[in-house]
Parts: sequence; structure tokens; C-alpha cells
Amino acid sequence: EPEVTQTPSHQVTQMGQEVILRCVPISNHLYFYWYRQILGQKVEFLVSFYNNEISEKSEIFDDQFSVERPDGSNFTLKIRSTKLEDSAMYFCASSEGVDFPYGYTFGSGTRLTVV
Amino acid sequence: AQTVTQSQPEMSVQEAETVTLSCTYDTSESDYYLFWYKQPPSRQMILVIRQEAYKQQNATENRFSVNFQKAAKSFSLKISDSQLGDAAMYFCAYRSGIQGGSEKLVFGKGTKLTVNP
Repeated sequence: EPEVTQTPSHQVTQMGQEVILRCVPISNHLYFYWYRQILGQKVEFLVSFYNNEISEKSEIFDDQFSVERPDGSNFTLKIRSTKLEDSAMYFCASSEGVDFPYGYTFGSGTRLTVV
Repeated sequence: AQTVTQSQPEMSVQEAETVTLSCTYDTSESDYYLFWYKQPPSRQMILVIRQEAYKQQNATENRFSVNFQKAAKSFSLKISDSQLGDAAMYFCAYRSGIQGGSEKLVFGKGTKLTVNP
């Protein structure tokens, strides 16, 4: 079964450093998403991306965040200057379409720890 | 804004028994989709079942079924013949079905399900 692949599985970074989280969505999917889950809390939407541009973003997704699809296969989330509160599990998801019954396929996540 | 509430932080069930996880949601939209996702210790989010709001028939997927009560804005998940592998965090999620509307999933806080042998 096709999978969404995320790398790395765990990243530790110092506060103020830039991090790039990588995702390889399913090849025929057109819609891409990032979500995050702070430990013990609910999963929160960050951003959606379609046709090489952001289609929707949440209040969390401020100027410190950016997304890119650099080469037609990877989908990246960059945090420019990490804060302690950015520590969370970050999930990438992709979807073939936005109409039902298309569902979202999630990756296994990247655990980001900011120290 | 839409909200999803899962009132049971934790539930437990004996192996082979049936358990029901509760979910309520709040929305002013008439067209939407509802999902249950499972998150095992591996942390991957796995789709369990999905429901279109305009369909009155409750969705079923093998041992998993839902009780969708649109007027009550309730979307509970029933797991029959529970297995040890069902132990996980279960999240209820909402998505707008409005044409051109938001594609984001709105999640509840989750219910941790323990399956006892």
C-alpha cells in the first residue's frame, strides 16, 4: 500500500536554529498538508498546499514557518528560528482529491525536540 | 468555528468485547465529513472509518461501525470483537464539505483505548 514517508523520525535542535522537515507524499496525490501534535494534546492543522501554493494556513503558521515542494516529489516544512514551544510531533499528509471519499494518508511523523 | 469533543479521555475493554467511543461536534454547516483515526504507539495516524453527513446510513468497516446522529451532532465509533491490536489513541475529526471551503481536519482531543486480555 502506498505510504507517505517522513524524515527524519526524530530531530533534536537548539532553540533559534532552523529545521527542515521532509515528506514524500504518495505519488499521484495533489493535496498536501502539515499538522502538528504537541505531546498529550490534540492534532492541529498547520497548512495545506495545492498547485504549488498555500491554499490555507492556521494562526499557528506564522512567518517562522514556510512550506515548499522543491522537486515535484518532496514536500518540506521549514521552521526558521525554532522556539521551545515548537517541540511537537509533525505529521505530513496527502490526498488525491478534496471531495469525498478521498481521505488523507498521514506519514509516521517527525518528533521535533527543541532544547 | 467548528469544534470536536471527545468526552472520554480513556476507555478500556476486554478482548473480544464491544466498546463505543463518543464524539460530538459543533458546526453550522450542513455538508461535512466525519472521520475516526487510530494512532497506535508508533504514532502514525491511520484512517479507521469515514462518513458523509448527507448519508443517513451508518458507515461500517469490518469490526468498526459508527452511529451517526446528525441532529444530535454525534458520531460515535463502535468496535466489535475487540482485539489487542486495537489498543491505541482514537481521534474523531471533522472536515467541511462546502464547495471551496476549508480542507483542514479539525480533531478532538482523543480517547485512549486499552484492550485487556
